[in-house]
Amino acid sequence: DAKTTQPPSMDCAEGRAANLPCNHSTISGNEYVYWYRQIHSQGPQYIIHGLKNNETNEMASLIITEDRKSSTLILPHATLRDTAVYYCIVRDPPSNFGNEKLTFGTGTRLTIIP
Amino acid sequence: EAGVAQSPRYKIIEKRQSVAFWCNPISGHATLYWYQQILGQGPKLLIQFQNNGVVDDSQLPKDRFSAERLKGVDSTLKIQPAKLEDSAVYLCASSLGQGRYEKLFFGSGTQLSVL
Repeated sequence: DAKTTQPPSMDCAEGRAANLPCNHSTISGNEYVYWYRQIHSQGPQYIIHGLKNNETNEMASLIITEDRKSSTLILPHATLRDTAVYYCIVRDPPSNFGNEKLTFGTGTRLTIIP
Repeated sequence: EAGVAQSPRYKIIEKRQSVAFWCNPISGHATLYWYQQILGQGPKLLIQFQNNGVVDDSQLPKDRFSAERLKGVDSTLKIQPAKLEDSAVYLCASSLGQGRYEKLFFGSGTQLSVL
């Protein structure tokens, strides 16, 4: 079962920052938080991941609370191409070499409004 | 670099027929995954390979689904016989398989409609 809770849908105006919340209150100390997104008719695409510190890359920023029970994905200047389903995933620690599976929930459907 | 290739893009069959999907992962990726995504849901892992060995097939309906990855490169997923509830997008993904917490790269999937 997915270990995260996300709102089913959100809207954001084009050009504004999109802030997508995720609750993961049962996260354990060695589990990472990953974000993927899925644009219509495409496979999921990796965005960012983190353990406890805030992370930033060319796509987004990830803010993780100090107690690690929740996080927020920030798209700083949303465009129409950011319309997608966003998945927040708590990554099971690999038990075997190469065991890197992802368990998806239903995600947040983000719609960017022109 | 080339991404994960899948074919066909779309497939329509009648129930009780058989169908096969093909996946070619990113060159050098040791780990290959097949996911099933039913409309309105997140992807669900069916089977995971490390090279040509199965790592996890706990959610694969083995009475009708089979998968192979001969030579540790490309892979095929087969359904025989298909049921109405198999209508879904079948996604293939790959990762390097050399360490922890790697990124997964997904193909665009095969959309299966069972009538």
